[in-house]
Amino acid sequence: ETGVTQTPRHLVMGMTNKKSLKCEQHLGHNAMYWYKQSAKKPLELMFVYNFKEQTENNSVPSRFSPECPNSSHLFLHLHTLQPEDSALYLCASSRNEGRGRANTGELFFGEGSRLTVL
Amino acid sequence: EDQVTQSPEALRLQEGESSSLNCSYTVSGLRGLFWYRQDPGKGPEFLFTLYSAGEEKEKERLKATLTKKESFLHITAPKPEDSATYLCAVQAMNYGGSQGNLIFGKGTKLSVKP
Repeated sequence: ETGVTQTPRHLVMGMTNKKSLKCEQHLGHNAMYWYKQSAKKPLELMFVYNFKEQTENNSVPSRFSPECPNSSHLFLHLHTLQPEDSALYLCASSRNEGRGRANTGELFFGEGSRLTVL
Repeated sequence: EDQVTQSPEALRLQEGESSSLNCSYTVSGLRGLFWYRQDPGKGPEFLFTLYSAGEEKEKERLKATLTKKESFLHITAPKPEDSATYLCAVQAMNYGGSQGNLIFGKGTKLSVKP
C-alpha cells in the first residue's frame, strides 16, 4: 500500500467512448502527476499539478483532459482515444518544497490503470 | 538535451550471483538521481536518492553509487524476490518552469533464478 489509489485498475473502451481515471492520495502531498507507461519506452510525464494548479502539460493531445479538484484527488478524462493510447497510466504524488519551487524526486506511485482502446 | 540510458535492457542471474546495473545520464546540472523498482502489474517504488558524485546508499542487497556521468545499482547475492524492473531517473538543477520533473530511463529487467 503506497498511499496512492487508482481506479479502475483495468479499462477497455472504444474510440468513441468517454471515460475517466481516478487517483486519490492519502499522504498529504501537494504535487500530483499523470504518467503514461508503454512497452519498451521510458515513463512519459503527461501532467503535473502543484497546489491544485496545473504546472506542466507535456504536449499531451487534447483527448486527454486532467482535473485536480483538490490536493488529494486527480482525474484524467478520456475521450475519442486512439488505439495507440493503450498503455498503463500511472498516478503519482510527491512533496513540493513550496510554491514555485521544485518537487522532490521521491514519487509515490499508484498501481496504475491499464487502458485498452479498441 | 537531458537524457538517461540504462543497460543492460535485461539481465538474468542465478541466485547468489552478484552483478551491477548501469544508468548513464546527461543533464544540465544534476539535482538528484533516483532509483525505483517496479514489479509486474504495479507502479514503481522508490528505492534511493543520490545527490553528488561519490555518494553511496544501501538497502539490504542493493547498493547505489554515483559518479559525474553514471550511477550503478549493485546487487549482492540476489534472491528470486529481487526480480523486477529497475528504473533510473534524474532531476535537473536548472529546471526553470518545469518544477524539476524526473526524466526516466527505459529500465533494466532483472530475473533471478533459484
